[in-house]
Amino acid sequence: GQQLNQSPQSMFIQEGEDVSMNCTSSSIFNTWLWYKQDPGEGPVLLIALYKAGELTSNGRLTAQFGITRKDSFLNISASIPSDVGIYFCAGQTTGANNLFFGTGTRLTVIP
Amino acid sequence: SQTIHQWPATLVQPVGSPLSLECTVEGTSNPNLYWYRQAAGRGLQLLFYSVGIGQISSEVPQNLSASRPQDRQFILSSKKLLLSDSGFYLCAWSVNINSPLHFGNGTRLTVT
Repeated sequence: GQQLNQSPQSMFIQEGEDVSMNCTSSSIFNTWLWYKQDPGEGPVLLIALYKAGELTSNGRLTAQFGITRKDSFLNISASIPSDVGIYFCAGQTTGANNLFFGTGTRLTVIP
Repeated sequence: SQTIHQWPATLVQPVGSPLSLECTVEGTSNPNLYWYRQAAGRGLQLLFYSVGIGQISSEVPQNLSASRPQDRQFILSSKKLLLSDSGFYLCAWSVNINSPLHFGNGTRLTVT
């Protein structure tokens, strides 16, 4: 299946700093999704992007669907301790079994 | 609103014992249902998906099986667990094959 390269693998930041992570692929996707997973829980959908160039915000989170449809980024502004977790990108094509996940970015926020 | 329930939250089973993990979705009809396995907090691997009652597609050869006896019920099973079956199992649903997935809270399975 398609491979999604997510970077960075991990980040250690001070509370209040902004965060940026991205996901790239050699394949084109119709939808880009960003999830956050807290320890011991399932991933929770943060943002869904459906059009190339689309920029969508959800509170302090902003994500963009790349123009080439092969990449996406997620920004978190003014990080807080509860932002800690693993963030996954996912690209979706059409048809069954069409969702491909990145390997995740582990975010640690230092108070 | 839609909710997804997955149980148990944790499970410790001996090698060779059977397994049954259950997942149910409320608030929607004819959802697509999925079972994923996650190793070491990363790497979501799709195991099975279902687009309707009795319709199961398997993505990887393994010691596990899945069934969908009712519209909103998805079961992950094994007749004899292996040590390598240990992991974090996640159930998910979507409205259709082109919609985002929504995950349950997972089951931590330890095979001893």
